[in-house]
Amino acid sequence: DGGITQSPKYLFRKEGQNVTLSCEQNLNHDAMYWYRQDPGQGLRLIYYSQIVNDFQKGDIAEGYSVSREKKESFPLTVTSAQKNPTAFYLCASSILAGSTYEQYFGPGTRLTVT
Amino acid sequence: QQQVKQSPQSLIVQKGGISIINCAYENTAFDYFPWYQQFPGKGPALLIAIRPDVSEKKEGRFTISFNKSAKQFSLHIMDSQPGDSATYFCAASGLTGANNLFFGTGTRLTVIP
Repeated sequence: DGGITQSPKYLFRKEGQNVTLSCEQNLNHDAMYWYRQDPGQGLRLIYYSQIVNDFQKGDIAEGYSVSREKKESFPLTVTSAQKNPTAFYLCASSILAGSTYEQYFGPGTRLTVT
Repeated sequence: QQQVKQSPQSLIVQKGGISIINCAYENTAFDYFPWYQQFPGKGPALLIAIRPDVSEKKEGRFTISFNKSAKQFSLHIMDSQPGDSATYFCAASGLTGANNLFFGTGTRLTVIP
């Protein structure tokens, strides 16, 4: 059963704590992405990675960190430096070949920080 | 700065009617324009996509119309059904080789029976 899995579905943390969100894909996709979704603001890109051990900042990378040690995994850490971390976080992946830009999304993780 | 502007923010349509969502972009380097459908608490799912070499693409009840000169594209949902009630996002890509998508702010569609 191919796809993108994100865990957990809901996550609660106290302010000041770092938290890591998991993203795994078995689609053999080269690229992976993290987006943040807030009401009325669409999806905003946090980080992306085209190959293992390489990643680039997106539009709102401050307060976040990522790693890409394996092709199928792209965990996101929300650090205590992120001023407003409560949001719905979405992971996506895509092939990097030819002219296709199709991105496939996971089910998301809703993070609540109090 | 929003690379892709989407309207309306919300839309209510009678069952069987046509739902129309519009998007506009500025950067002419964009060459791929997908639409995503998202149900509450779920990740977005790719619905339909178009490239600038065609002016229209149809898949079932969903049609994308593309106007390259006006830098606008729209999603038409024919014979709208209550099951179509969701949030729809337009997006654009092509600026870099990283396949980065720039999303509109979304349209919440409600189809009433």
